[in-house]
Amino acid sequence: DAGVTQSPTHLIKTRGQQVTLRCSPKSGHDTVSWYQQALGQGPQFIFQYYEEEERQRGNFPDRFSGHQFPNYSSELNVNALLLGDSALYLCASSPDTNTEAFFGQGTRLTVV
Amino acid sequence: AQSVTQLGSHVSVSEGALVLLRCNYSSSVPPYLFWYVQYPNQGLQLLLKYTTGATLVKGINGFEAEFKKSETSFHLTKPSAHMSDAAEYFCAVSTVAGGFKTIFGAGTRLFVKA
Repeated sequence: DAGVTQSPTHLIKTRGQQVTLRCSPKSGHDTVSWYQQALGQGPQFIFQYYEEEERQRGNFPDRFSGHQFPNYSSELNVNALLLGDSALYLCASSPDTNTEAFFGQGTRLTVV
Repeated sequence: AQSVTQLGSHVSVSEGALVLLRCNYSSSVPPYLFWYVQYPNQGLQLLLKYTTGATLVKGINGFEAEFKKSETSFHLTKPSAHMSDAAEYFCAVSTVAGGFKTIFGAGTRLFVKA
């Protein structure tokens, strides 16, 4: 079992650009959540996807959007990047009926 | 709404000493509680979780935590620290009412001295 996989592992973008991060959930998991972890802080919930729809959303602006595909994989898109968007972005998957989330290794985004 | 407070952003112990990382939560409904560990440049790994039932929960690597509803606490302990325990530890809460959205504390960095 490959677990939760995220790509890319690192990337550097310029202010104002757009970025897409990808996540493949653990086998058998149909719920995907995204978190932003700024340096020295705990992960902050961005949103959660289930059955290809956004089910819950945290306190993040509309510049942050996502998508879930029929195979349960997911993308996180961030438009008009700001320096403050620099962070580790974590994807977590879970079976809908379970409370435990399994995390990927994260994507380190640096905005310059 | 739920929230988590981790007391102490940094904790330092000697190898072989007791590890105690403190966590208090706030929730208006019965919580599910978790401890995760994060090693540098890696994702989060679940150490243990409390959902229902026995309030003393045992996890991986010798860690355990006790859910105390009256104190709204879920402190993490390990009898004897090992050098490999040095990492960042996060306490987290989720609820059925919250759709299992997981809310994390700010984290506690554990240092282990030889």
